[in-house]
Amino acid sequence: GNSVTQMEGPVTLSEEAFLTINCTYTATGYPSLFWYVQYPGEGLQLLLKATKADDKGSNKGFEATYRKETTSFHLEKGSVQVSDSAVYFCALSAGAGGTSYGKLTFGQGTILTVHP
Amino acid sequence: GAVVSQHPSWVICKSGTSVKIECRSLDFQATTMFWYRQFPKQSLMLMATSNEGSKATYEQGVEKDKFLINHASLTLSTLTVTSAHPEDSSFYICSARTGAHYGYTFGSGTRLTVV
Repeated sequence: GNSVTQMEGPVTLSEEAFLTINCTYTATGYPSLFWYVQYPGEGLQLLLKATKADDKGSNKGFEATYRKETTSFHLEKGSVQVSDSAVYFCALSAGAGGTSYGKLTFGQGTILTVHP
Repeated sequence: GAVVSQHPSWVICKSGTSVKIECRSLDFQATTMFWYRQFPKQSLMLMATSNEGSKATYEQGVEKDKFLINHASLTLSTLTVTSAHPEDSSFYICSARTGAHYGYTFGSGTRLTVV
């Protein structure tokens, strides 16, 4: 079946530091890949997505590139802010034709804390 | 953009009672909605897929009779936790597929505490 593995957290950084959160996946076919962010007590917000190999998703200074050869979708940001403190989830949506079509599979989430 | 409204945002109920959680798509029609459960500091676990006008599809291990899902219209899906017990306490989140390219919008979640 499909699965998503994220790097273990929590991640603690100082403001303006470089951020990388690793994400690798296992899936059949051609999944779409997502990063979601969750602030305390809230639902999930889409941060960025990529629907095919070599696509780069970007938003609010965050980037992730769909690497089919390494089955990865690592999240990066060059300079984090205190306001980026949240939980980040990597997810995939299976491609058409399988029983999991349209369902999101989430990684375990990575807690990010940014200090001033 | 597409908005999914989820209510209530939090609820406390006594053991043995039932609780209904609503998920509404405000500016689009959602033929498919998804219900997730999230334990503290853990990932989201898909409970069921709700399809307008038909029975929900439950994931393996999820009790259909305990977690009743109704999707009677294109803008409303409800999750009813029946005969709630403390172990049902959790954060429940709904989402809707918003169209092409696998767009999904999430509700703000419901914190259920059963005492």
